[in-house]
Amino acid sequence: GDSVTQMEGPVTLSEEAFLTINCTYTATGYPSLFWYVQYPGEGLQLLLKATKADDKGSNKGFEATYRKETTSFHLEKGSVQVSDSAVYFCALSENQAGTALIFGKGTTLSVSS
Amino acid sequence: EAQVTQNPRYLITVTGKKLTVTCSQNMNHEYMSWYRQDPGLGLRQIYYSMNVEVTDKGDVPEGYKVSRKEKRNFPLILESPSPNQTSLYFCASRKGEYNEQFFGPGTRLTVL
Repeated sequence: GDSVTQMEGPVTLSEEAFLTINCTYTATGYPSLFWYVQYPGEGLQLLLKATKADDKGSNKGFEATYRKETTSFHLEKGSVQVSDSAVYFCALSENQAGTALIFGKGTTLSVSS
Repeated sequence: EAQVTQNPRYLITVTGKKLTVTCSQNMNHEYMSWYRQDPGLGLRQIYYSMNVEVTDKGDVPEGYKVSRKEKRNFPLILESPSPNQTSLYFCASRKGEYNEQFFGPGTRLTVL
């Protein structure tokens, strides 16, 4: 079945460092791909998405490119801030009615000043 | 404000005592679902609903029930909770064709 694999955390960075969180997926069709972020004590928020190959999703300085050839959707940010400390989830969904989001296990990011 | 609300946010109960976690969305979404989040396992879908009176099992439905009598509400029912249902629960609703889902704030349930 479909699955998502994320790099294990925690990831600990200093402010202004470059961030990469790796995400690869397995899917039978052509899924949409998402990154969700969960700040401490809160629910999940959509960070960015991409719906087809070579699409780049971006938001709040974060970017991820849908790479069909490598089945990847790595999250990057050029300069992280303390406020970016959160848990990041990569997810996919087949573009079919009733299809659930399939999540990776999440990567905890901790940014220190 | 467009949102998904859940109640209660925190609940401690005992084994076997029936409980209901409510979920409501004000975005007129057809699709709603419940997930549980456990350390090291990420989020797993419990049940989902495509529309009023249409519900179906997700990946981990055992021990849970749902109903969808109205479009905006999708309660999660635990008829006889057990300690292995201690978890963080999220309700979500979906907008549009690309499965962008909006999540509620979560309900932390502890079953003693």
